[in-house]
Amino acid sequence: DGGITQSPKYLFRKEGQNVTLSCEQNLNHDAMYWYRQDPGQGLRLIYYSQIVNDFQKGDIAEGYSVSREKKESFPLTVTSAQKNPTAFYLCASRLTVGYTEAFFGQGTRLTVV
Amino acid sequence: QQQVKQSPQSLIVQKGGISIINCAYENTAFDYFPWYQQFPGKGPALLIAIRPDVSEKKEGRFTISFNKSAKQFSLHIMDSQPGDSATYFCAASFFTGNQFYFGTGTSLTVIP
Repeated sequence: DGGITQSPKYLFRKEGQNVTLSCEQNLNHDAMYWYRQDPGQGLRLIYYSQIVNDFQKGDIAEGYSVSREKKESFPLTVTSAQKNPTAFYLCASRLTVGYTEAFFGQGTRLTVV
Repeated sequence: QQQVKQSPQSLIVQKGGISIINCAYENTAFDYFPWYQQFPGKGPALLIAIRPDVSEKKEGRFTISFNKSAKQFSLHIMDSQPGDSATYFCAASFFTGNQFYFGTGTSLTVIP
């Protein structure tokens, strides 16, 4: 089945530690995205990538980093510089052109204690 | 600047009633307007989408109404059911765009 897979579903980390969230897709989509979701704030874009080895900052990129070494994979690292990392993180992908939908993963809930 | 503004933030509707969620956008170059439905603990999924060359699109109980001159679009859920209880997001993007611009979401509760 084609789709987008995020792992793990739940993640707990101590304050000050970096943590990497995984996102893999087998939809052959060029574009991939990371969003952060907080109650009452909708979906805020962290980073996006349209092609391999290229990515752009979104609205809230500070404290996060990404890589895009393979078309299928777009991992997100939440660094210790992120002031309030506890949130629900969503990865998405879509074709880069056309009236096409974004497909979302099931999300990773990160809790920093 | 919020590119897409969504209201209301929350909505409670009786079973069988009509749920209406409204969105307004700024950039007249947007040309694709999807609505996403999200259940707790899950990722959003496409519900229905519209392009600005039509004023209305209907799929089952879900209808998008689009007003290009007012830069507004809305989602109507007819005969609302408890299973429709979810968070709904409107969004806008470009044909060759690289991202979606999402509204802040509406939490819909349909009470039996």
